[in-house]
Amino acid sequence: AQSVSQHNHHVILSEAASLELGCNYSYGGTVNLFWYVQYPGQHLQLLLKYFSGDPLVKGIKGFEAEFIKSKFSFNLRKPSVQWSDTAEYFCAVILPGDKLIFGTGTRLQVFP
Amino acid sequence: EAQVTQNPRYLITVTGKKLTVTCSQNMNHEYMSWYRQDPGLGLRQIYYSMNVEVTDKGDVPEGYKVSRKEKRNFPLILESPSPNQTSLYFCASSVSGTLYEQYFGPGTRLTVT
Repeated sequence: AQSVSQHNHHVILSEAASLELGCNYSYGGTVNLFWYVQYPGQHLQLLLKYFSGDPLVKGIKGFEAEFIKSKFSFNLRKPSVQWSDTAEYFCAVILPGDKLIFGTGTRLQVFP
Repeated sequence: EAQVTQNPRYLITVTGKKLTVTCSQNMNHEYMSWYRQDPGLGLRQIYYSMNVEVTDKGDVPEGYKVSRKEKRNFPLILESPSPNQTSLYFCASSVSGTLYEQYFGPGTRLTVT
């Protein structure tokens, strides 16, 4: 079945550490990809998206993601995390039929 | 302020007692949808609506109903709630379909005992 996988379920980092969260999808055609973030007690909001063009996408708050078609991946990165980045991060992909599928999420905890 | 609102934010109810969770958006969005969020399962789509009077099933529609009589409102109806519907529910809207940024509501935490 077509799906989105986030293998890191829970990541714990210290402030200033670098972050990379994995996202893989299982569909061979053209895809549109998103990362959403959910801060504690808040609703989901869009971090960044990729539709076409430059595979390195920059989003808000210093986040970026790289689309690697050959690896079916769209990993989220940030060079130096802050305590305020503590949140749950969801990768999402649009599949044929305009179907938006979310991954299971990665919980990030950043300690001062 | 552009927003998606949901009511109630928290609800504890008993098995079998019909309930409605309201969702309203003030952005004139055509597309609206409902998700449930469960630990380890992420967000799963329950129902979506491309426009007024047009609704369709998502991945987990069993036990739920929706209606879209007005563009701004998309209520979620649980005719006979069961404990396995205990979850965190999110309504979302976008300009038109899934290619556009989804704007999420604040969530409704439902407990069915």
